[in-house]
Amino acid sequence: ELQLVESGGGLVQPGGSLRLSCAASGFTFSDHYMDWVRQAPGKGLEWVGRTRNKPNSYTTEYAASVRGRFTISRDDSTNSLYLQMNSLKTEDTAVYFCARSTRYYDNSAALWFFDLWGRGTLVTVSS
Amino acid sequence: DIQMTQSPSSLSASVGDTVTITCRASQGIANYLAWFQQKPGKAPESLVYAASSLQSGVPSKFSGGGSGTDFTLTISSLQPEDYATYYCQQYNSYPLTFGGGTKVEIK
Repeated sequence: ELQLVESGGGLVQPGGSLRLSCAASGFTFSDHYMDWVRQAPGKGLEWVGRTRNKPNSYTTEYAASVRGRFTISRDDSTNSLYLQMNSLKTEDTAVYFCARSTRYYDNSAALWFFDLWGRGTLVTVSS
Repeated sequence: DIQMTQSPSSLSASVGDTVTITCRASQGIANYLAWFQQKPGKAPESLVYAASSLQSGVPSKFSGGGSGTDFTLTISSLQPEDYATYYCQQYNSYPLTFGGGTKVEIK
């Protein structure tokens, strides 16, 4: 069964750190780009960042709101995705989803779209 | 950054109705647009990519269209399980951005 399961959420004080994990199963993890998307309470979806796959050198992209504070990494040997969050702010409070991105081609250009989501893990930043 | 604007932000419709949600990009994104459905307390589910291609397993009652800056998601014959919030998202350029969502409620 295709599955993404996040863990590691919890309550943390402003300025603190937290590491989220996402365990993938049921598909070839190493083929895909992987993303983190968050949703503040009662709000819409906000993309956090992406890690590309090995053929694309595991390079990363981040939203401006988290760049320099958050780091995305992956371990293809254990089918795991990570989000290291440092210098947390109250506005980082959200449910964090991991999402799989799958490739398709459009006029020979490779494009990647979200096609599988985890159930999310709640991060609360509060004193 | 590319801003994605959805309209309406909410709508009420009856079972059996057909509804259309609009998504507008602040600049051209070709057809690099996806749609998602999210029910309360649940993860989003992917419906459409490339503006009009249905994800595997998604019923044909959902249809997407548009190109450039203007896009639509149409849901035909609304059923109770279709009441949810729908989001568009562009993947033309970074940062990837979502629309604010359209909540479809029961009339």
